[in-house]
Amino acid sequence: GAGVSQSPRYKVAKRGQDVALRCDPISGHVSLFWYQQALGQGPEFLTYFQNEAQLDKSGLPSDRFFAERPEGSVSTLKIQRTQQEDSAVYLCASSLTGRSSGYTFGSGTRLTVV
Amino acid sequence: AQRVTQPEKLLSVFKGAPVELKCNYSYSGSPELFWYVQYSRQRLQLLLRHISRESIKGFTADLNKGETSFHLKKPFAQEEDSAMYYCALMKDSNYQLIWGAGTKLIIKP
Repeated sequence: GAGVSQSPRYKVAKRGQDVALRCDPISGHVSLFWYQQALGQGPEFLTYFQNEAQLDKSGLPSDRFFAERPEGSVSTLKIQRTQQEDSAVYLCASSLTGRSSGYTFGSGTRLTVV
Repeated sequence: AQRVTQPEKLLSVFKGAPVELKCNYSYSGSPELFWYVQYSRQRLQLLLRHISRESIKGFTADLNKGETSFHLKKPFAQEEDSAMYYCALMKDSNYQLIWGAGTKLIIKP
């Protein structure tokens, strides 16, 4: 596609529910990043993929968070047993190389846990 | 620890007035710094990076290593400049960005 596509745009989850957030990067982009942006804050790094390999998951806040990119294209961020503190905008970005100067961001998924 | 600080959450200036959005960073090595902008109902997009020393939409930013600052400036603000502005620093790993909390810029007519 022409840009990075994220779905759903909005998600309301009951506490304890599992959610899956999808990112469809620009075709051919090798690198894919997930960021979490809490209200009133800047984005915070979650994880990084190069093709299908997850090279860095140091930013995932707990073992309830899991990300995958099995075929090196679409990526899914899964959050198990959601908590209120998981409420945030989840941003996906892709890049032709690993240089974040070439990031293209998606519109984000706003997750609200009630 | 690496950190980016944007001291102003909100900055409001009149159209035609100069604008300066402040950004200070904490980093032990040679930083690469960026400004990103998010217009209303649009996605984050790169505005400029210090390495390219460019001017985009009339904005410039100079890296001052002595003051560890990377302030964003524009001599004459326009209404379409109203947006959220984020300063970000690239880590040694060359892929991970550390972000400031952002400054909301409002240009009054």
